[in-house]
Amino acid sequence: DTAVSQTPKYLVTQMGNDKSIKCEQNLGHDTMYWYKQDSKKFLKIMFSYNNKELIINETVPNRFSPKSPDKAHLNLHINSLELGDSAVYFCASSHEGSLPEAFFGQGTRLTVV
Amino acid sequence: GEDVEQSLFLSVREGDSSVINCTYTDSSSTYLYWYKQEPGAGLQLLTYIFSNMDMKQDQRLTVLLNKKDKHLSLRIADTQTGDSAIYFCAENVRTGANNLFFGTGTRLTVIP
Repeated sequence: DTAVSQTPKYLVTQMGNDKSIKCEQNLGHDTMYWYKQDSKKFLKIMFSYNNKELIINETVPNRFSPKSPDKAHLNLHINSLELGDSAVYFCASSHEGSLPEAFFGQGTRLTVV
Repeated sequence: GEDVEQSLFLSVREGDSSVINCTYTDSSSTYLYWYKQEPGAGLQLLTYIFSNMDMKQDQRLTVLLNKKDKHLSLRIADTQTGDSAIYFCAENVRTGANNLFFGTGTRLTVIP
């Protein structure tokens, strides 16, 4: 059973389109995250959700919006895609407790053409 | 703001030891982590250290923490070609919830 799963694994789309990436975790964690990894492998946090509340948003354009229908899901919606949005996006989850170990999904490689 | 820095590249010969270094800025971090990313794969937690510890050993891995200098290192003994990957250090920052901030990643290349 996959702990943190993202779909799709690959996404190729044209500039200006709107797309979504889905993430689900079956670990019972209460915090979920989205990270962006650019071509230089820098890994930057975009959002985290704790109990369905947005906790942090690191200077991410408002074209990006996280949507959490329930504690096990945190989807990433991107409007009006730009070339610079091309990257690998990782979803992760962790438990709010004594050891906030984060489990990561396999990543979604987004290519904007 | 939080900042975690690492050198970008490291090359070692198979069988030698590798040392990957990291500096961080948030002194209130409770845990510090090392993650490994193999080509085309997600991030895998390798090991972690609690902030009140100086050292942790886990088989071939040794983590050293100098809290005064905010310096973290990962030593891999008897480095193997399968250890070639990108290694990220991360600190947790409590801003309402536990959030992980990652370093830039160090690409380790093991030469046979």
